[in-house]
Amino acid sequence: LAKTTQPISMDSYEGQEVNITCSHNNIATNDYITWYQQFPSQGPRFIIQGYKTKVTNEVASLFIPADRKSSTLSLPRVSLSDTAVYYCLVGRYSGGGADGLTFGKGTHLIIQP
Amino acid sequence: DSGVTQTPKHLITATGQRVTLRCSPRSEDLSVYWYQQSLDQGLQFLIHYYNGEERAKGNILERFSAQQFPDLHSELNLSSLELGDSALYFCASSVESGGLSSTDTQYFGPGTRLTVL
Repeated sequence: LAKTTQPISMDSYEGQEVNITCSHNNIATNDYITWYQQFPSQGPRFIIQGYKTKVTNEVASLFIPADRKSSTLSLPRVSLSDTAVYYCLVGRYSGGGADGLTFGKGTHLIIQP
Repeated sequence: DSGVTQTPKHLITATGQRVTLRCSPRSEDLSVYWYQQSLDQGLQFLIHYYNGEERAKGNILERFSAQQFPDLHSELNLSSLELGDSALYFCASSVESGGLSSTDTQYFGPGTRLTVL
């Protein structure tokens, strides 16, 4: 099952586009890629999910290259309220394993005025 | 509001004690997941139940146990509490049984903040 690697922290300014990349070299054929957002003292919230190429919703875009060994969450024109921790999850599980539920420490995104 | 409820919101207790945290999933969800989040460990998966049956275990201590009842609410029991058990405990629910399947999304509750003194 895939493990993910994300930057520990990033910062940017209001109005900028922010891209957070997640590496998942061992992604399996059936694995989907899911991103969550978490504000302090709140539970994570689903942002976007994809399998390949590009997915876009009202909040973000998710870019996945052909080899699927990485993915990039893109947040357009960020605001101060986008300051949060972002988690990349990959995979599903079968049997007793649960690697696909490993949130880890995520990427701390700080947006400055 | 995710539709997932957790009680209590805050809990302060002493070392050696036992506590029970409760989670009610969204009405349409059969799966309940429990997570522990401490400052230094990030969000750690503990255990997953689907329709009353245990589906997977993560980093759950032997002092901890959980169950999912016929009405699908779940309880996480923490016993012989230690200072290091102080953390935020989240539950999440989803429709499907297999964790991160193609359409599965987890909906998280607001969490229970446990402080062990």
